[in-house]
Order: sequence, then C-alpha cells, then structure tokens
Amino acid sequence: DAGVIQSPRHEVTEMGQEVTLRCKPISGHDYLFWYRQTMMRGLELLIYFNNNVPIDDSGMPEDRFSAKMPNASFSTLKIQPSEPRDSAVYFCASTLGLAGTTGELFFGEGSRLTVL
Amino acid sequence: QKEVEQDPGPLSVPEGAIVSLNCTYSNSAFQYFMWYRQYSRKGPELLMYTYSSGNKEDGRFTAQVDKSSKYISLFIRDSQPSDSATYLCAMSGTKRNNRLAFGKGNQVVVIP
Repeated sequence: DAGVIQSPRHEVTEMGQEVTLRCKPISGHDYLFWYRQTMMRGLELLIYFNNNVPIDDSGMPEDRFSAKMPNASFSTLKIQPSEPRDSAVYFCASTLGLAGTTGELFFGEGSRLTVL
Repeated sequence: QKEVEQDPGPLSVPEGAIVSLNCTYSNSAFQYFMWYRQYSRKGPELLMYTYSSGNKEDGRFTAQVDKSSKYISLFIRDSQPSDSATYLCAMSGTKRNNRLAFGKGNQVVVIP
C-alpha cells in the first residue's frame, strides 16, 4: 500500500494567493483528518470526515479555510486568501474506524506551506 | 490549561542511554494513550498504544500510564541514533481517535 499521499510537498506563495492542498487516503479507510503543525501550537486538528462527510470542522481557524472530500479517495484543503500566519506543515491522515481496531492514524508526509 | 502538556525541550543523550519522556493531561475521560514518533520532514507514525492504566513493553520501548496521576511516560532503553526523532504523546476518550489530543512533542537526539 502506498500510504497516505499528499501534494504538494512544498508550497511557497505570496500573501493573498489561493492555496490548495491535496490528499489521497489509504484505500478502504473511512476517516480522513486534516491537521496543521507549527512549533508554537504543535499538531492541531482542523477538520475530519467520515465516509466523505465533514463531521467536525470546529478546528478550522477562519472562513478562509475550507475542505472538501468529493469521494473516498480524494480530499482538498483550500486557503483563500492565504496569510503569513498560515505558514505551517499541513498533514492529512486516515484511519479505519472499525470495532476491534486501534484506530491508528496513518499520516502522510505533509505539505509544508510558506506564505510570504 | 491545555488538555495535554508535554515539555518540548530538546533532549540529547549518548547512544546506549535510557530516554525518559512524559506527558501530563487534565481530561479524566482519556482512556486510550499513544506515542507517535515523527522523523524529520515526515509524518507521525504510531509507536505505542495502551488502554487505561498499566505498562506495555515492545522491544526497547516501554509505555506507562498512571491514570490516577494523569501522567504517561515512554522509556527507550539502549537508545540508538536511529531513535533520533520527535516523540508526540496522544490520547483520546474513545477508541475512534477522532478527537485525539496531541502533546507538542519532544525532540530526542541520540549521539553516537
């Protein structure tokens, strides 16, 4: 299995530009999570989906952030307009929410965003 | 007060030493406790998983949970340079882990 695949790995953009981050979860996983990691705040949950439906987006910092999951194998996190304080590493993770499993999160390698 | 406190201070140890990491938490509903390991420029990966109080051992790694003190620990015996990474504690009140609370992580450097 290829694991969780994220793109792009690195993104440098200017303030005000739109940023789209992409994620392909592990096939068969029914939960998908978007996290943001910074030195100051650590790993923060932004939003998660179950069976492609957004369940909890209370971690999304502002209306500038939006996430979609049009099908079981693809999700996007969009920031529009981007600001320097959005600079962080954004992780996508997936898991299988079956009884009897540990619920282990499988993370992608992250998308490192720098907003100038 | 944050739900999970983990001192992020970098920790440097010589190869072969015992590494001791810990986290404290405030939510008494937490029952599932995990340690994730994160190598530089990579995503976190699950290292240890424990339920409720007690100890769990896996090779050179031991995880301890003391629910009465709201304190969890990770010990790495005979540390190796390949153990150099950031270690994040995580915990949840449900098995689904859909609301995992993470610590900020401890950077560990094992010096050959």
